[in-house]
Amino acid sequence: DTGVSQNPRHKITKRGQNVTFRCDPISEHNRLYWYRQTLGQGPEFLTYFQNEAQLEKSRLLSDRFSAERPKGSFSTLEIQRTEQGDSAMYLCASSFGTGGYNEQFFGPGTRLTVL
Amino acid sequence: DAKTTQPPSMDCAEGRAANLPCNHSTISGNEYVYWYRQIHSQGPQYIIHGLKNNETNEMASLIITEDRKSSTLILPHATLRDTAVYYCIVRVAISSGSARQLTFGSGTQLTVLP
Repeated sequence: DTGVSQNPRHKITKRGQNVTFRCDPISEHNRLYWYRQTLGQGPEFLTYFQNEAQLEKSRLLSDRFSAERPKGSFSTLEIQRTEQGDSAMYLCASSFGTGGYNEQFFGPGTRLTVL
Repeated sequence: DAKTTQPPSMDCAEGRAANLPCNHSTISGNEYVYWYRQIHSQGPQYIIHGLKNNETNEMASLIITEDRKSSTLILPHATLRDTAVYYCIVRVAISSGSARQLTFGSGTQLTVLP
């Protein structure tokens, strides 16, 4: 399968615990995005990487959230000291391009439940 | 990015055309109209995009009014697998620092009925 993959698909954790999600983009894609989606809402942008550089962060990305993309390949999103409000679907998308429109390909998401 | 307005839900009979409207009255001249859909428990999927001319691909057609203030996504022969939330998104295509992400609204839940 050459699509965007995300692991784990589901994560249940207790409030206060740290969690880490992984995204493997389509191999030749240089751009990678993280979005968060709560029930009944559309996805909301969190952060964006071009290669290994994190170029954009949303105000939604509090200091408990950190994302990395070492070597411009896979990416990880870590949430520290989780809160019940962090419960959501976390979506990763990737695209290729150096300018202009680029279609984003989304992964299946990681569903986080914070108890 | 311009704001879009879509009906929250629509039904369509299987085999018939599904016409999904989107209003974007504040669209700027350099903003494109994009459509994505999200089938339950999956990530969003790109469908089509356009600037001012009508566009067609293997999935759908996009009709943009002459004043560009509204558009319609047409699924010519809807199937049960087309049941999904459809998002209309307006954004600039020219590369700029904060213009690369997609801004989703609440979309339209399309239900294709047998």
